[in-house]
Amino acid sequence: AQSVTQLDSQVPVFEEAPVELRCNYSSSVSVYLFWYVQYPNQGLQLLLKYLSGSTLVKGINGFEAEFNKSQTSFHLRKPSVHISDTAEYFCAVISSSSASKIIFGSGTRLSIRP
Amino acid sequence: SQTIHQWPATLVQPVGSPLSLECTVEGTSNPNLYWYRQAAGRGLQLLFYSVGIGQISSEVPQNLSASRPQDRQFILSSKKLLLSDSGFYLCAWSRPGTANTEAFFGQGTRLTVV
Repeated sequence: AQSVTQLDSQVPVFEEAPVELRCNYSSSVSVYLFWYVQYPNQGLQLLLKYLSGSTLVKGINGFEAEFNKSQTSFHLRKPSVHISDTAEYFCAVISSSSASKIIFGSGTRLSIRP
Repeated sequence: SQTIHQWPATLVQPVGSPLSLECTVEGTSNPNLYWYRQAAGRGLQLLFYSVGIGQISSEVPQNLSASRPQDRQFILSSKKLLLSDSGFYLCAWSRPGTANTEAFFGQGTRLTVV
C-alpha cells in the first residue's frame, strides 16, 4: 500500500527567504504525486502535480517540486516566500494500481516571519 | 465546469446525537468521491471513498458510515457522535477511471462535538 511522509510538521522562515518542504512516499508501483495548499478553515487547493515526463514541475504562486524516483521524494520549493504563503501544505500520492485512492501526508505548516 | 458543494460549514452537536453531512458534485458524471477528516495536528485522514453508487470503501473502522444514494451525492453519517469525532471534514471528488487526476475539495465542515 502507498504511504506519504512529510518530515516537518512546522517550518518557520523569514519573508523573502527560500523554503523547501519535504515529502517522501512509498509504493511498490508507479505513482502520481501532488502538492496542495490549505488556507485557514478552507478546503485544499492544488499547487502542482507530477504525472509523467519532466521531473521538475512548476505550479501556482511560484512553487515548484522535483520528483526523485531513486530517493522516492517529491520536495516542494520556493526561492522567495511571501507573507501570503502562510498556510498548511499537503503532499499526496495515487498509485497506478489503486486509481481511486488518494493518500495524503500529515501536512507541513509554513509560517512566514516578516 | 464542475463544482462541489458541502454543507453545513459549521456544526455543533452534543455527544450521542446523530450526524449527517452532505456533499454533492455538479458538472460531471460518475465521479470518485471521498470523505476526509482533519483533526488538529493530525493531517488529512481518508475515511471513505466511492467509485460508484452504492460502492463504499472504508479506510478506518470507526463510529462513522458513508452512503452514496445518487451518482453525485455522498453522505457521511453517525448514529451516535463521540467527542473524538470532532474535526474538520472535507469532501472531495476526482475524475473516474484514471489515476493521473487530482482531487477537488469542498470548503469543509467544522464539527464540534460537545
